[in-house]
Amino acid sequence: TQLLEQSPQFLSIQEGENLTVYCNSSSVFSSLQWYRQEPGEGPVLLVTVVTGGEVKKLKRLTFQFGDARKDSSLHITAAQPGDTGLYLCAGGRGNFNKFYFGSGTKLNVKP
Amino acid sequence: NAGVTQTPKFQVLKTGQSMTLQCAQDMNHEYMSWYRQDPGMGLRLIHYSVGAGITDQGEVPNGYNVSRSTTEDFPLRLLSAAPSQTSVYFCASSYGTQAFFGQGTRLTVV
Repeated sequence: TQLLEQSPQFLSIQEGENLTVYCNSSSVFSSLQWYRQEPGEGPVLLVTVVTGGEVKKLKRLTFQFGDARKDSSLHITAAQPGDTGLYLCAGGRGNFNKFYFGSGTKLNVKP
Repeated sequence: NAGVTQTPKFQVLKTGQSMTLQCAQDMNHEYMSWYRQDPGMGLRLIHYSVGAGITDQGEVPNGYNVSRSTTEDFPLRLLSAAPSQTSVYFCASSYGTQAFFGQGTRLTVV
């Protein structure tokens, strides 16, 4: 059983569309991270949120941490083919932030 | 600016063979960890270390050993490989909430 559930698992959309990816848990985390992973590469950190209700923006990407620090969302506005990849959320717990990963959302943005 | 370096990138093992996956970081981070990534499962924590001489188990430690004799290196050992250990393995180095991953080792056990 995964500590973090991501939805949807797969998403295929046209360039210019908006989308939201969800990351849910019944556990509280001290921090929540979002990564993007390209084929054959390791995950690359996009953002870290640490405060309940926190919202961070990275160009067309908006990240939100739930008020209770149990869930998070990633919203992409006007998706582009360059956004294609596997998006992973990871929750940190404990003094040294052990990270627990969701199963990922595979996004394909078609031109 | 090497960051986290993993070797080898690809490996094929026969059932029962042993091998060591190497991981080195040059960022002087205390925290290092090993994950495996399987389709539909995301990344699962195998072992982690909070500093030289200190290691602990993650979610899926069975079949793997680690040691941390220096801050820079954190090798992962498979003592007797099994087909269930076919996976992509990632090493990560962290400082606070900043984690940096290597490029991965794709391991196939036949």
